Amino acid sequence: AQSVTQLDSQVPVFEEAPVELRCNYSSSVSVYLFWYVQYPNQGLQLLLKYLSGSTLVESINGFEAEFNKSQTSFHLRKPSVHISDTAEYFCALRVHGSGNTGKLIFGQGTTLQVKP
Amino acid sequence: NAGVTQTPKFRILKIGQSMTLQCTQDMNHNYMYWYRQDPGMGLKLIYYSVGAGITDKGEVPNGYNVSRSTTEDFPLRLELAAPSQTSVYFCASSPRGLREQYFGPGTRLTVT
Repeated sequence: AQSVTQLDSQVPVFEEAPVELRCNYSSSVSVYLFWYVQYPNQGLQLLLKYLSGSTLVESINGFEAEFNKSQTSFHLRKPSVHISDTAEYFCALRVHGSGNTGKLIFGQGTTLQVKP
Repeated sequence: NAGVTQTPKFRILKIGQSMTLQCTQDMNHNYMYWYRQDPGMGLKLIYYSVGAGITDKGEVPNGYNVSRSTTEDFPLRLELAAPSQTSVYFCASSPRGLREQYFGPGTRLTVT
């Protein structure tokens, strides 16, 4: 069975500081990896994804994540956060060849709290 | 283009009552999903559908039922509400299994 573990439930950080949200996964087969963001009282939005190719993927708002197969990790980073980045972040995986059902397995979520 | 819409936004149910959570998408997506979100637990898949007339169970289907009579609609039915079903419910859709899922704004349900 597959699983996703987000190592921190809450990450407080000051504005303009760097941040890393950690995600580890467990799977005996190849996976696709995703980061979703949930702003207060809203649904989830895709932030970035790793499907294949370059192991470093970037979002349009300055976040990046690196797929590390040997460490089974997909940590999310941003060099300088803004107040508007305050949200809950979810790491998720989808198994290759999962019958094309697209089923996602989510981690527990990490709340990023950016303080002024 | 409204995307994925869910109704109601909030609901309080008494134990044993039933209700239907509505989900509609206007993107002509074949794949639709129902998740529940509990604090500290992430999202768990309840049911999913790969097209009209086709549904299947996810990780936590007990106590729920679904139907998919049209491409646009994917309602979730709670027959006998229990306190354990207090949660936030999200509906999502995708053009096909290997593409991004688009989420609705959620329904916050409390069962007392």
